Amino acid sequence: AQSVTQPDIHITVSEGASLELRCNYSYGATPYLFWYVQSPGQGLQLLLKYFSGDTLVQGIKGFEAEFKRSQSSFNLRKPSVHWSDAAEYFCAVARTGGGNKLTFGTGTQLKVEL
Amino acid sequence: ETGVTQSPTHLIKTRGQQVTLRCSSQSGHNTVSWYQQALGQGPQFIFQYYREEENGRGNFPPRFSGLQFPNYSSELNVNALELDDSALYLCASSRRVGDPTPGELFFGEGSRLTVL
Repeated sequence: AQSVTQPDIHITVSEGASLELRCNYSYGATPYLFWYVQSPGQGLQLLLKYFSGDTLVQGIKGFEAEFKRSQSSFNLRKPSVHWSDAAEYFCAVARTGGGNKLTFGTGTQLKVEL
Repeated sequence: ETGVTQSPTHLIKTRGQQVTLRCSSQSGHNTVSWYQQALGQGPQFIFQYYREEENGRGNFPPRFSGLQFPNYSSELNVNALELDDSALYLCASSRRVGDPTPGELFFGEGSRLTVL
């Protein structure tokens, strides 16, 4: 069975600083990988996804993520954080043929200091 | 284009009761998935519906059941509520075309269930 680990429960960065949120997955084959963001009182919104091809994927709101098979990682990055990026971020994995059964990590709460 | 809407937004039940949560999928979407998000946790997959049939289930007991209607809206029913069922229940819709490749999920804002 697949699993996802997000090692950082909370991260605080200053506005304008760069950001990297870590995600490690466990899955035997090539996974489908996702990053979602959840703001208070709102549902999850897809930031980006990796299915195949170029290992560096671009998403919305200036986010990008890099798939590294050798490290089983899919870290999320942003070069310059805005105060509105404060939210909870979830990494998720799905297996081939599994449809919309996503396995989520426990999330990383991002706080942005002005 | 209407997004995913869920009702009710909040509800309180007592142990042993039953609850029905409702979800209207986004226009053009034919697949609905339900997730349970306990406090401080990531969402956990309950099941998904495609063409009005359950099409994949997570590690949840049979007292969690669902329906999908011809208009692709959906219900989640939970019988014999337990304290641990207290959580945010998220509905997500997507458009499946052909093989079961994960689609882009559009989530509703959830129904927060408290079991006392």
